[in-house]
Amino acid sequence: KAGVTQTPRYLIKTRGQQVTLSCSPISGHRSVSWYQQTPGQGLQFLFEYFSETQRNKGNFPGRFSGRQFSNSRSEMNVSTLELGDSALYLCASSSRGLGEKLFFGSGTQLSVL
Amino acid sequence: KNEVEQSPQNLTAQEGEFITINCSYSVGISALHWLQQHPGGGIVSLFMLSSGKKKHGRLIATINIQEKHSSLHITASHPRDSAVYICAVRRSSGGGADGLTFGKGTHLIIQP
Repeated sequence: KAGVTQTPRYLIKTRGQQVTLSCSPISGHRSVSWYQQTPGQGLQFLFEYFSETQRNKGNFPGRFSGRQFSNSRSEMNVSTLELGDSALYLCASSSRGLGEKLFFGSGTQLSVL
Repeated sequence: KNEVEQSPQNLTAQEGEFITINCSYSVGISALHWLQQHPGGGIVSLFMLSSGKKKHGRLIATINIQEKHSSLHITASHPRDSAVYICAVRRSSGGGADGLTFGKGTHLIIQP
């Protein structure tokens, strides 16, 4: 069974640009959640999608958004990038949600210059 | 004060030692996760607990809901156990469960 796949692995953008990251969950998993990891703040929860609906959202500005498609693949978008958005962005999938074992992707390393 | 506190922040031990990492939280929760992250590597979920105790190989995780505390134990530690161990809680609220809140992690080094 293939694991959670995130693309791209690395991304370099400049301030003011926007970026879209992709996450393909394990086959059969309907929940996809997104996280930001930085050396200063550690891991922070962004949002969770289940069956194409956003179920939970963390404390991030509206520049961070996401969506989930009918095949459970998910994308997150960050608009008007700021230097502070440089981070490792991780997604995780599970069958039903955050109350069960999570399977993480390898992440997308975003650098904003 | 962070909602999830881990201790110790850093731990260096000798191969074979019994390791304990602690996680205390201040909110009501519906689940607690223990995660492992190797340097430069991805995150692996070790345990998801809502009550009691779980064991997998040399790893044991316990949770005490009344005391709002969880521990992760490693028996017969090995250098390959060197990693960052992260505790995360899924808050339960009146309107349903929220997202995950993470501890800052425990950096564990096991020396041969």
